[in-house]
Amino acid sequence: DGGITQSPKYLFRKEGQNVTLSCEQNLNHDAMYWYRQDPGQGLRLIYYSQIVNDFQKGDIAEGYSVSREKKESFPLTVTSAQKNPTAFYLCASRTIASNQPQHFGDGTRLSIL
Amino acid sequence: QKEVEQNSGPLSVPEGAIASLNCTYSDRGSQSFFWYRQYSGKSPELIMSIYSNGDKEDGRFTAQLNKASQYVSLLIRDSQPSDSATYLCAVGGPSDYKLSFGAGTTVTVRA
Repeated sequence: DGGITQSPKYLFRKEGQNVTLSCEQNLNHDAMYWYRQDPGQGLRLIYYSQIVNDFQKGDIAEGYSVSREKKESFPLTVTSAQKNPTAFYLCASRTIASNQPQHFGDGTRLSIL
Repeated sequence: QKEVEQNSGPLSVPEGAIASLNCTYSDRGSQSFFWYRQYSGKSPELIMSIYSNGDKEDGRFTAQLNKASQYVSLLIRDSQPSDSATYLCAVGGPSDYKLSFGAGTTVTVRA
């Protein structure tokens, strides 16, 4: 089945620790995205990538880092510089054809220990 | 920065009624418009896309777009308890691959 796989489903971070969220897709999509969702709020864009080895900051990139070494994979690292990391993190992807929707993985819920 | 505003909820409707959700956007150059449904604790799921002025129907869902008024809406006919969810409006611009999302409208269908 084609889809977007995020792992883990739940993640706990200790103070001062970096953690990495995985996102893998087998849809052959070129563009991939990371969003953060806080309770009762909409989606805020962290980073996005339109092509391998290239990515751009979104609206709330501070405290996060990404890499895009393979078309299928777009991992997100939440660094210790992100002081309020507790949120629901969503990965999405889409084709680069015009006006196409984004499709989402199941999300990772990150909490602070 | 594109802004997307949705009517504040929560919206409570009786089973079988029509639920009407509204969305306005600030960027006149926007070309693609999407409605996502998000159940509590789950990820967003695409339910409708619309690109041209007018109505687009898919089952019990109808999306309406008016670019002159910068307005897009979603009607849910014959609302069912399974329609209880948060509905996110998303708008795409002409020159990038990003979407701007509204904060969402939570719909509760009363049995």
